[in-house]
Amino acid sequence: AQKITQTQPGMFVQEKEAVTLDCTYDTSDPSYGLFWYKQPSSGEMIFLIYQGSYDQQNATEGRYSLNFQKARKSANLVISASQLGDSAMYFCAMRELYGNNRLAFGKGNQVVVIP
Amino acid sequence: NAGVTQTPKFQVLKTGQSMTLQCAQDMNHNSMYWYRQDPGMGLRLIYYSASEGTTDKGEVPNGYNVSRLNKREFSLRLESAAPSQTSVYFCASSPDRGLGNSPLHFGNGTRLTVT
Repeated sequence: AQKITQTQPGMFVQEKEAVTLDCTYDTSDPSYGLFWYKQPSSGEMIFLIYQGSYDQQNATEGRYSLNFQKARKSANLVISASQLGDSAMYFCAMRELYGNNRLAFGKGNQVVVIP
Repeated sequence: NAGVTQTPKFQVLKTGQSMTLQCAQDMNHNSMYWYRQDPGMGLRLIYYSASEGTTDKGEVPNGYNVSRLNKREFSLRLESAAPSQTSVYFCASSPDRGLGNSPLHFGNGTRLTVT
């Protein structure tokens, strides 16, 4: 069963605007962590941000923030003030306490920033 | 620091040939992983190793074998390559054995084509 769902089609966003990427997840484990990665066209996987299931506050890292709604099982990534270099695939991933430390990925969201 | 190093970067195999993908990390991490990435599928876990001397199957282990040679190295072997194994392969590592907030560090990937 798919644990991470990213269903948005490719998105175009104007430079300097904010963009929200949706991620919903499925788990019965009370302890888990959520990660977002960026994959530019060059192919490398770049870690962006982490949210723990017990964290009281939404995670933020520079222009990246996570809108974590635990009851709804969603962990949406918000990129503020988009830049051309933000054009990439973005992957949401989850690690469960009882999942043997495996990181399960969603299928990704494509973002294209236009000037 | 080199981080996670994968070799080769590109490889073309004929159906039935065998090969080993090499991965080494210099961060003294405990856990290492092999993922494959196919268009529209995100990253899927093939095998992982929570610590030196242990390996476990992931989501898509069929057709692959792994060896955790030592703490630094984790190799992936295709004994008899099939066209369905055409993919981009990523090796990754993380310091954790259990649940933690440490992200996975990825290598730059190996693009494998099986004809």
